[in-house]
Amino acid sequence: DIQMTQSPSSLSASLGDRVTIICRASQDIGVYLNWFQQKPGKSPRLMIYGATNLGDGVPSRFSVSRSGSDYSLTISSLESEDIAIYYCLQYDKYPLTFGSGTKLEIK
Amino acid sequence: EVKLLESGGGLVQPGGSMRLSCAASGFTFTDFYMYWFRQPAGKAPEWLGFIRNKGNGYTTEYNPSVEGRFTISRDDTQNMLYLQMNTLSAEDTATYYCARALFRRMDAWGQGASVTVSS
Repeated sequence: DIQMTQSPSSLSASLGDRVTIICRASQDIGVYLNWFQQKPGKSPRLMIYGATNLGDGVPSRFSVSRSGSDYSLTISSLESEDIAIYYCLQYDKYPLTFGSGTKLEIK
Repeated sequence: EVKLLESGGGLVQPGGSMRLSCAASGFTFTDFYMYWFRQPAGKAPEWLGFIRNKGNGYTTEYNPSVEGRFTISRDDTQNMLYLQMNTLSAEDTATYYCARALFRRMDAWGQGASVTVSS
């Protein structure tokens, strides 16, 4: 199975900060990566698909980049509504596998 | 409005079976592949499997962790998705989600159904 190593596991930042979350794939997955946001008691929301494409209604302060097997999700200026757990999902190979999540909190 | 609504969750004894349903509305159900995921409390989601649409033969793919115990099916006449779960154990306790996807773009999820396996 492809392992998705997500870091950090938690992140405390101030409103307006720039924050970055990284997922590292144990094998080449190309662009076959999604990012999800999950707020407490809610279902996951698709934020990024195909590694580089913003989902419907996703604010432009979210951006993505890739360096080799490292996939980064960046929020340019943290807002209170961004507080959530973020997960990556690779869908290049079966079984599809998620990262362990990054819990984003306000400092 | 796109809606996915899971039902059929609850308490089941170890070794028992349960069938979850997912009612879809607000989109052309027949166009989409349909997925099941689950998420134990406080943990990351886990992909369980998906079923392709009619044009792709209604074929299925499963996570090896549940293959042989879980079966995904769909009824396009009713816009319904199903997850049949057999030989359940405590490790299957989780919130179960259905989701739609085109080209692995999982852009709509249900609110989740809670399944607890306990005696």
